[in-house]
Amino acid sequence: QKEVEQDPGPLSVPEGAIVSLNCTYSNSAFQYFMWYRQYSRKGPELLMYTYSSGNKEDGRFTAQVDKSSKYISLFIRDSQPSDSATYLCAMSGSGNTPLVFGKGTRLSVIA
Amino acid sequence: GAVVSQHPSWVICKSGTSVKIECRSLDFQATTMFWYRQFPKQSLMLMATSNEGSKATYEQGVEKDKFLINHASLTLSTLTVTSAHPEDSSFYICSSEFRDKNNIQYFGAGTRLSVL
Repeated sequence: QKEVEQDPGPLSVPEGAIVSLNCTYSNSAFQYFMWYRQYSRKGPELLMYTYSSGNKEDGRFTAQVDKSSKYISLFIRDSQPSDSATYLCAMSGSGNTPLVFGKGTRLSVIA
Repeated sequence: GAVVSQHPSWVICKSGTSVKIECRSLDFQATTMFWYRQFPKQSLMLMATSNEGSKATYEQGVEKDKFLINHASLTLSTLTVTSAHPEDSSFYICSSEFRDKNNIQYFGAGTRLSVL
């Protein structure tokens, strides 16, 4: 079993839809959870950062962490064509442990 | 968020030449920087971890003599692809770790390397 599992998609939704992106993980030591957005031929951009369990909201984006289920989600409300990108989840434990990335989910929002 | 500057954004070179890619942390001191490689439609593959003032730690399967990493200051790390060949063509991305932000990495814009 891989440390972080993420469905690569592609996921295609109409403009205005609510998008749900998910990752599961196996390492119970993970405490820091991040979502990055990567446009084609660009570096990843940090979208959301969450420590431990709970929800975090920023504009149209909501990140959820359920440590008991080892499951994290990113919700995008009122999706826009500009949201079309690859979304990578990433997580790590405490201290100097490296980030572990999911493979990324390709999202297309169709106008 | 923090700014990481990476250049060049695109480089084309002849087979056998060496190419240097620079990664600068512009508004914070980065004791640790990372270098990744990414093939089309693939995820990030960590190549090496670079700590200021010490030798880089390479991931298994990454040739350290092929991919030279120098992290001479708290704001600059360089990756040199030596004697590049067409199979080295890829998208290279650096990141800096902001320790005070609990393991968050901020990424550069990436460098597209094409070896002819």
